[in-house]
Amino acid sequence: EVQLVESGGGLVKPGGSLKLSCAASGFSLSGYTMNWVRQAPGRGLEWVSSITRGSSYIYYADSVKGRFTISRDNARNSLVLQMNSLRADDTAVYYCARDLAVSGTIGFDVWGQGTVVTVSS
Amino acid sequence: EIVLTQSPGTLSLSPGERATLSCRASEGISSSYLAWYQEKPGQPPRLLIFGASSRATGIPDRFSGSGSGTDFTLSISRLEPEDFAVYYCQQYGGSPLYTFGQGTKLEIK
Repeated sequence: EVQLVESGGGLVKPGGSLKLSCAASGFSLSGYTMNWVRQAPGRGLEWVSSITRGSSYIYYADSVKGRFTISRDNARNSLVLQMNSLRADDTAVYYCARDLAVSGTIGFDVWGQGTVVTVSS
Repeated sequence: EIVLTQSPGTLSLSPGERATLSCRASEGISSSYLAWYQEKPGQPPRLLIFGASSRATGIPDRFSGSGSGTDFTLSISRLEPEDFAVYYCQQYGGSPLYTFGQGTKLEIK
């Protein structure tokens, strides 16, 4: 079964750090661009970051640029989001999501169940 | 930044009726780079439509997408009880790399 499982969420104080992980199973991560998307409580979806298959290209939303770092370990079939200098408005469910492997189009076709990050003193 | 505006914010319909959801972009986008998702409480989003009109794997044919330029539509031909959810459109390109609309809640009338 194709699956993504996030871990690493929790409660952290403002200014603190967290490392989120996303473990892939049922497919090889190396064949796909991967993404992080978040959803604040009661809010819509917000794209956070993307990393291409070989990590050649990395992109961030302006809201997290300079504070978050995305990386991947294709050998371990895992994706990581290192989050530093966390703020209250980073509180959200964080999802990892796989890019649809169809050339010339977009879509996130596999999503994890999400991990909850709460930033509060 | 390309802004996606979805309308209506909430749509109240009965099972068996047809639903039409709109997604308008602040500037023209390639239809190849427009996707739709369904989200239910406690579940991650589910890809419905990619490339504006192509159904993702396993999506029933009562779901269809159309549009081009700045105006895109998601239609559900005959609503089933499991279709009541929140729907998001998504576009790719520019900065930020991806943006989502604010969502349309489809509720049972």
